[in-house]
Amino acid sequence: EVQLVESGGGLVQPGGSLRLSCAASGFTFSIYWWHWVRQTPEEGLVWVSRINPDGSTITYADSVKGRFTISRDNAKNTLYLQMNSLRVEDTALYFCARVTSGQPHLDYWGQGILVSVSS
Amino acid sequence: QSALTQPRSVSGSPGQSVTISCTGTNSDIGGYNYVSWYQQHPGKAPKVMIYDVTKRPSGVPDRFSGSKSGNTASLTISGLQAEDEADYYCCSFAGAYIYVFGTGTSVTVL
Repeated sequence: EVQLVESGGGLVQPGGSLRLSCAASGFTFSIYWWHWVRQTPEEGLVWVSRINPDGSTITYADSVKGRFTISRDNAKNTLYLQMNSLRVEDTALYFCARVTSGQPHLDYWGQGILVSVSS
Repeated sequence: QSALTQPRSVSGSPGQSVTISCTGTNSDIGGYNYVSWYQQHPGKAPKVMIYDVTKRPSGVPDRFSGSKSGNTASLTISGLQAEDEADYYCCSFAGAYIYVFGTGTSVTVL
């Protein structure tokens, strides 16, 4: 059974940092592309970042470029999102999601982890 | 990376058909046949309903169908059922490994 479990969210002050994790099980983590997507009531779903199977190709949305870093540890079956210089507008529910190579749609999603940025 | 445009809400009675539009540009929807649609019930993770414009994943009822014309994609739900009441989001590949989501549509079953 495919399982994706996000962790690492919480309340942080503006300018602070958080690291999100997405632990995967039930399939071969290393062969998939991975994405982070965030959601707010105002904007809905917003694509954040993506990483290829070996971590050599990474892309970010303009809104997080230079502040967020996506990474993965294929030995630990875990995806990460290091979020620095957090802003109030980064407050959202963050999802990790899987993409199969050659099929560019998000076929499995985690349940989401809440990040709140507030003073 | 502007969001794709969807109607805020659509509604229909059980058994009727509803269509949700998703409008983008030549750089996303119009440039690639990689449009996907996601259903999200309250408090749940999104679930893919359509991918590659028209394809349905295993387990998705065939009353869900997708299409595309120019810069606009559409999701049609035929034979609307109570469990179809949810939020729906379109998503398109936008080149350079970037993706863009739609603004989301709330479907109400009357």
